[in-house]
Amino acid sequence: GQNIDQPTEMTATEGAIVQINCTYQTSGFNGLFWYQQHAGEAPTFLSYNVLDGLEEKGRFSSFLSRSKGYSYLLLKELQMKDSASYLCAVLDSNYQLIWGAGTKLIIKP
Amino acid sequence: ETGVTQTPRHLVMGMTNKKSLKCEQHLGHNAMYWYKQSAKKPLELMFVYSLEERVENNSVPSRFSPECPNSSHLFLHLHTLQPEDSALYLCASSQGPDRNTEAFFGQGTRLTVV
Repeated sequence: GQNIDQPTEMTATEGAIVQINCTYQTSGFNGLFWYQQHAGEAPTFLSYNVLDGLEEKGRFSSFLSRSKGYSYLLLKELQMKDSASYLCAVLDSNYQLIWGAGTKLIIKP
Repeated sequence: ETGVTQTPRHLVMGMTNKKSLKCEQHLGHNAMYWYKQSAKKPLELMFVYSLEERVENNSVPSRFSPECPNSSHLFLHLHTLQPEDSALYLCASSQGPDRNTEAFFGQGTRLTVV
């Protein structure tokens, strides 16, 4: 079956760096997405990786290794507003999005 | 403000009621989706519409009935629901179901079945 694994919850300190990991086993691969979802709000798109390597977007970076079925989202200079759930999703060979359960990130002062 | 709008934001309904959820997108997208989001579980894809035609129905119980009258509007008709159907129902749109472009989500309808 198809599966996406990510930690349920993580805690980090304001100003620090945190890495949220995502591992996947899917039928084919057409890219991996990261979304951010604040409580009670819509998921919003953060990043898309289809080739191996690191994509940087301001304080957020996303890494992909297709051979390892692994990605991470790196958040730098954490701010309180970064407290949210982070969803990892893989586009399989049928262009169907397979979702992880999300990682709830708690930022402490 | 997202380009995808859902109403109502909150809904409480009894098991014998009939209600409808509405979704509207102003992004010119060709594909629209209904997802169910339960606590600590992955998003569950329910229905996919592409150019107003249903292209996917992921074994969803018949008490959920989708309708897509045009490429900008999507409805989810609900009847005789069960308490386990209580969840956040999210609508999304994208350029197409077979493309590697991001989906844009509405803020969801928090449904409680009593």
